[in-house]
Amino acid sequence: KNQVEQSPQSLIILEGKNCTLQCNYTVSPFSNLRWYKQDTGRGPVSLTIMTFSENTKSNGRYTATLDADTKQSSLHITASQLSDSASYICVVSERGADGLTFGKGTHLIIQP
Amino acid sequence: EAQVTQNPRYLITVTGKKLTVTCSQNMNHEYMSWYRQDPGLGLRQIYYSMNVEVTDKGDVPEGYKVSRKEKRNFPLILESPSPNQTSLYFCASSLAGYGYTFGSGTRLTVV
Repeated sequence: KNQVEQSPQSLIILEGKNCTLQCNYTVSPFSNLRWYKQDTGRGPVSLTIMTFSENTKSNGRYTATLDADTKQSSLHITASQLSDSASYICVVSERGADGLTFGKGTHLIIQP
Repeated sequence: EAQVTQNPRYLITVTGKKLTVTCSQNMNHEYMSWYRQDPGLGLRQIYYSMNVEVTDKGDVPEGYKVSRKEKRNFPLILESPSPNQTSLYFCASSLAGYGYTFGSGTRLTVV
């Protein structure tokens, strides 16, 4: 069964610090991997989408990496801001199949 | 503005009273999907639609119905809601299953 595991489950860091969130998946064959940011009670908003051939993709202070060989991805947040407090969800798509496999998310809290 | 619009945002209802949550997108996307999100379980797919008049069950379809009569609309129907359907619901759409746009969510409480 396809699975997406995220770690840590929750994380608290001080404003201005960097952090890295992890995503491991078993989805095969792989199509693409997305990172979403979800503010409490709101819909997920896409941060990055990465395909098989992409190793790194940046979106402002967010940088995602992908290692398709080890089936791992990370999301690095630089110089965190209070507005970064949210859940970050890793979502993997299987090539040739419908639907997505969602991770349960990492709940990030930025403290002043 | 490209968006997925869900209504209502909040809904409290009683067990057994039929309800519909509407979802509309203005991006001409073929693919639309419904998810529910519960604490500790993440997002789980209820139903999805690849195009007009084409719908399929997701991971947790029991107790739900959908229809896709028009490309832009994908309503979620609960014929006889029960308390275990209390959840946060999201509609999403995408072009060929690539980039997904989510609605703002509908928080449903069934008492």
